Amino acid sequence: GAGVSQTPSNKVTEKGKYVELRCDPISGHTALYWYRQSLGQGPEFLIYFQGTGAADDSGLPNDRFFAVRPEGSVSTLKIQRTERGDSAVYLCASSLNPPGVGNEQFFGPGTRLTVL
Amino acid sequence: AQSVTQLGSHVSVSEGALVLLRCNYSSSVPPYLFWYVQYPNQGLQLLLKYTTGATLVKGINGFEAEFKKSETSFHLTKPSAHMSDAAEYFCAVSVTGGYQKVTFGTGTKLQVIP
Repeated sequence: GAGVSQTPSNKVTEKGKYVELRCDPISGHTALYWYRQSLGQGPEFLIYFQGTGAADDSGLPNDRFFAVRPEGSVSTLKIQRTERGDSAVYLCASSLNPPGVGNEQFFGPGTRLTVL
Repeated sequence: AQSVTQLGSHVSVSEGALVLLRCNYSSSVPPYLFWYVQYPNQGLQLLLKYTTGATLVKGINGFEAEFKKSETSFHLTKPSAHMSDAAEYFCAVSVTGGYQKVTFGTGTKLQVIP
């Protein structure tokens, strides 16, 4: 596709449930980032992948959050035992390799997660 | 540690008036600075960025920003606002290193009044 795509666009779940959010980066982009944007806030870094490996997961808030990128393309963000505080828009971005500082990150439209 | 502060969560301007969105940064090392725009239900789009070199940076849609190290500022301006400029704008900073770990500000919503 032409840009970063994310599915689903909206996800409503109940407290305690498990959810998966998917990101399809721009073809050829080896760097992939996940961010979380809470209401009234700017995006907050969660995790960065270079290829298949998570090079920096320091932004993941706790061990209920996990992300994978098994083939170095599509990534899935997984949230276990969801809590109401997890409600936010989850953004994915990708950039060219090498992901040097200053290289533009291209963002997807996000997945709006609502935990009831 | 790096951070950005955006002054004013909401800014209103008349169509045709100057747009000025303020951003101050904090960084212990030379920063790279960005402005992103977010339209409703859309992803973030890069407006412009400062990495090195010329401190006055021109971006898309007629926007520009000036890096002022002495003031730790990177304010975004546009001489004449257009209705289509109504959106939320985010200032962001990353530091030199192996990859781009970006820290965003809290955003400024720009309203353009006809």
